Amino acid sequence: GEDVEQSLFLSVREGDSSVINCTYTDSSSTYLYWYKQEPGAGLQLLTYIFSNMDMKQDQRLTVLLNKKDKHLSLRIADTQTGDSAIYFCAEIEDTGRRALTFGSGTRLQVQP
Amino acid sequence: NAGVTQTPKFQVLKTGQSMTLQCAQDMNHEYMSWYRQDPGMGLRLIHYSVGAGITDQGEVPNGYNVSRSTTEDFPLRLLSAAPSQTSVYFCASSQGSHQPQHFGDGTRLSIL
Repeated sequence: GEDVEQSLFLSVREGDSSVINCTYTDSSSTYLYWYKQEPGAGLQLLTYIFSNMDMKQDQRLTVLLNKKDKHLSLRIADTQTGDSAIYFCAEIEDTGRRALTFGSGTRLQVQP
Repeated sequence: NAGVTQTPKFQVLKTGQSMTLQCAQDMNHEYMSWYRQDPGMGLRLIHYSVGAGITDQGEVPNGYNVSRSTTEDFPLRLLSAAPSQTSVYFCASSQGSHQPQHFGDGTRLSIL
């Protein structure tokens, strides 16, 4: 089945850039997503990229997709303390289920 | 801007009790789904529905039932609660194939 893997933890200083990495196995993935989860809250969709793209930029967020290596990254520029959260990478099955397969999440800690 | 609304936000049950977790969306989305989130893991799909009157099993369906009598509502039923069902439950909805899924704020369920 599909598998999505992420590193568990990332610590950066306020103002630095953060790069959160993700690898996936399903070569038929059509969309890949990044969600943010703050403590005690639900999942907030940050951005997503279609598999025929290799980059998408949205304000401080840059998503890079290397389809050959099945590697996805999320770069947050000028990281702020409010960016501290868990970030989930997810891919969607190219089947009727349209189920999201999530990584286990990367906890981003931003130090002042 | 209600989006996806889940009730209750918190619930404590005793083993063997039954209950229904409610999920409603006001965006006229065809696709709805239920996930559970356990510590250190991403979200896993329990059941999903591609439209009113149609439901199907996800990755971890055992112990749960769903129904979809209307487009707006997608309740999740625990027939006989077990401690292994202690988790945070998220409902999500989307419109159209591969469109981003929007999540509710979750229901935190503890089974004693």
